[in-house]
Amino acid sequence: SYVLTQAPSVLVAPGQTARVTCGGNNIATKSVHWYQRKPGQAPVLVVHGDGDRPSGIPARISGSSSGSTATLTISRVEAGDEADYYCQVWDGTTDHWVFGGGTKLTVL
Amino acid sequence: EVQLLESGGGLVQPGGSLRLSCAASGFAFSTYAMSWVRQAPGRGLEWVSATSGNGAKTYYADSVKGRFTFSRDNSKNTLFLQMNSLRADDTAVYYCAKDRAYAFDVWGRGTMVIVSS
Repeated sequence: SYVLTQAPSVLVAPGQTARVTCGGNNIATKSVHWYQRKPGQAPVLVVHGDGDRPSGIPARISGSSSGSTATLTISRVEAGDEADYYCQVWDGTTDHWVFGGGTKLTVL
Repeated sequence: EVQLLESGGGLVQPGGSLRLSCAASGFAFSTYAMSWVRQAPGRGLEWVSATSGNGAKTYYADSVKGRFTFSRDNSKNTLFLQMNSLRADDTAVYYCAKDRAYAFDVWGRGTMVIVSS
């Protein structure tokens, strides 16, 4: 089965750029989606792998992929960006939807 | 406004059953695939099951296959997740989610399932 690997945590200072990575075999050939989850709230889609930015998501949040790594980039980080971030793909060989383990973004 | 509202969660003993529901509104329900996703305490998101817009195709995670059944009633804009032979590791918040090109663009607020004696 397809596996997505994320670092458990990322620390970033306000105003800096945060990069959350997601590793998977040839992930650049897949459409990678990213979710933000804050405590007590449902997850929110922040990056759709097809390139469409969901309504209400600022342009400073973006996604990219190369080789075996997908990256969520958050520019000009704000305190409100502190959350858990999950990558997700659809594995067509098994018809399963797969999530990474999640990365906790802490704003210092 | 697009909305999903789950219900049916609660406390159940190991080996027991529970039926979750998800009421949808604000979009053309029958034209969208839908999924259930769960999050156990202290754990990450886990996809559980998905069904096509007309309910003809249904997919399950290995962890629930043979125990859970996902169905939908398009006349009532409602999803159902029948959960049998529940185990402690099924304890989680269960979300229903709307599919958009294999991503989940709308989520409900979730319903808590606790499996414990």
